[in-house]
Amino acid sequence: NAGVTQTPKFRVLKTGQSMTLLCAQDMNHEYMYWYRQDPGMGLRLIHYSVGEGTTAKGEVPDGYNVSRLKKQNFLLGLESAAPSQTSVYFCASSSNSYLNTEAFFGQGTRLTVV
Amino acid sequence: RKEVEQDPGPFNVPEGATVAFNCTYSNSASQSFFWYRQDCRKEPKLLMSVYSSGNEDGRFTAQLNRASQYISLLIRDSKLSDSATYLCVVNKAGTALIFGKGTTLSVSS
Repeated sequence: NAGVTQTPKFRVLKTGQSMTLLCAQDMNHEYMYWYRQDPGMGLRLIHYSVGEGTTAKGEVPDGYNVSRLKKQNFLLGLESAAPSQTSVYFCASSSNSYLNTEAFFGQGTRLTVV
Repeated sequence: RKEVEQDPGPFNVPEGATVAFNCTYSNSASQSFFWYRQDCRKEPKLLMSVYSSGNEDGRFTAQLNRASQYISLLIRDSKLSDSATYLCVVNKAGTALIFGKGTTLSVSS
């Protein structure tokens, strides 16, 4: 009963390096999201997807790209990492039901950019 | 103005106390409302949905006032295990869940 799985769980990058965070869900959810969480800032939406092949920008999309080629996977890419992208990244998924949109979260990826 | 705003906190209360958290949202088209709980260094988890008629789950009561765009969470008889950050969340169908910054609760013995 995996739910939402994020890989990797920890990563240290040098400024300018690139990386991809993978989010996988096994609940057949339509919606998937990427958030970042910084101290005192709460969870801020980076990008989200309302279905396979679709993506949309959230509150803080700059410096990130995403892809949803398969329904179960949502990838978050950092093309050229910056220290400002040091954060905890959470992926989540939810059904597209009108009244019942509980989101299930992965355990987070702690990224440090030095 | 942020889409979802919460009491800044932190709230420090003794065991057995009653504590209330408030939240306001700016998008009148919001359709679903939730309270999530987040423990330190863990992922957020759903505490309860919030319905227009108000709803209760044990010691927790949630209220929604659509006219005032206001959501509340009441915790009665606080336990040590209630110590966490409580996140107010709103959603409009077809878009993403938007989180408030959260309110930290610390319950002491």
